[in-house]
Amino acid sequence: GESVGLHLPTLSVQEGDNSIINCAYSNSASDYFIWYKQESGKGPQFIIDIRSNMDKRQGQRVTVLLNKTVKHLSLQIAATQPGDSAVYFCAETPMDSSYKLIFGSGTRLLVRP
Amino acid sequence: ETGVTQTPRHLVMGMTNKKSLKCEQHLGHNAMYWYKQSAKKPLELMFVYNFKEQTENNSVPSRFSPECPNSSHLFLHLHTLQPEDSALYLCASSQEPGGYNYGYTFGSGTRLTVV
Repeated sequence: GESVGLHLPTLSVQEGDNSIINCAYSNSASDYFIWYKQESGKGPQFIIDIRSNMDKRQGQRVTVLLNKTVKHLSLQIAATQPGDSAVYFCAETPMDSSYKLIFGSGTRLLVRP
Repeated sequence: ETGVTQTPRHLVMGMTNKKSLKCEQHLGHNAMYWYKQSAKKPLELMFVYNFKEQTENNSVPSRFSPECPNSSHLFLHLHTLQPEDSALYLCASSQEPGGYNYGYTFGSGTRLTVV
């Protein structure tokens, strides 16, 4: 499941620090957003979602922020751990095409011990 | 295991071969999807099936032929592929089309190499 060879933005953080991964989406009609985590050798795994009528949602150690004005989504990971090292994708479901999920290009998170 | 099982995990095929990828889900989901993930591009949607009916063909070449015999199984039939078709092929399912409420559940993928 790795994106080997794909040139991805990379975020390198120290273990224990907070991580912020950003995503710009394109369709102002999108009304549902999801963050996925993909570890090497695996398919993408659901982390957290948010609907367009919200601007913040919290999970366990993760928070998603949505700014519809600038079409920006962010994922915050608190107290980053080595197991958080992976590629992170944001995805959107456009309201005018509500049967499919469109993925962004991904960000690679590296956690330094 | 995520509940979505893909077989085989790895496949090497020649350009004149015919092979099939299989995806199976027992999550009771109503929608299933094929995605392609390659080194040059991020996740690309290929096909969407809702309640066994194909609702999306994202300009995929005819050498890829999907089949959805029931809501639990999805196949991708491959023939006369090109080396540039080498990629990770991911199957996913969702309770609702578009992945509302917990998004898609992905399988681990089939790593395809065309030689």
